[in-house]
Amino acid sequence: QAVVTQEPSLTVSLGGTVTLTCDSSTGPVTTAHFPYWFQQRPGQAPWPLTFDTTSRVSWTPARFSGSLLGAKAALTLSSAQPEDEADYFCMLSFGGVLVFGGGTKLTVL
Amino acid sequence: QVQLRESGPGLVKPSETLSLTCTVSSGSISPYYWSWIRQTPGKGLEWIGCVYYSGSTNYNPSLKSRVTISVDTSKNQFSLRLNSVTAADTALYYCARGGPGRITIFDYFGQGTLVTVAS
Repeated sequence: QAVVTQEPSLTVSLGGTVTLTCDSSTGPVTTAHFPYWFQQRPGQAPWPLTFDTTSRVSWTPARFSGSLLGAKAALTLSSAQPEDEADYFCMLSFGGVLVFGGGTKLTVL
Repeated sequence: QVQLRESGPGLVKPSETLSLTCTVSSGSISPYYWSWIRQTPGKGLEWIGCVYYSGSTNYNPSLKSRVTISVDTSKNQFSLRLNSVTAADTALYYCARGGPGRITIFDYFGQGTLVTVAS
């Protein structure tokens, strides 16, 4: 089965910008993997952010944006807020088999 | 707002069958896909599989031999059965709603239910 890799941890300054990435062991990530991102705070259920590489869920703040960055999927957070401190997970589809990344713990300082 | 709620035993004995139900409220089962996902501190998140409102299913190959997911549209519920469980199946289990006619997006999750496999 494919392995999806994310940075274990990242730090961003309050008001700053940070990019989280999502890599596939099978080769470049493309739109055909339907990259999907969600946020999870401790003890809470996942909170969807973006899907189909770049589309935001209706409630997702505009400071979150999804993209492809080189051979990876990416989630960029601009103007980071204290409430953005959380774990972030990506998910890729491999021919209808969904595989999650290990998550990135984002700290906002 | 669509709400999902997982229910089922929190403790299952090794070699037995884990059974969970997800009840959907404030929304219809159709025309969506419905998934089960589990999460452990050690292995992270794992997609177990999904069922379409019509009853067709799609499973993670790593669990396919032990999993059955079904839907009951009359009750607005879908269910997970995982047989021959071991301690490795101890996890927080989530149900989630997929897209209309597609599985590659989840827009609503349940709060999760912890299932422990132990004798």
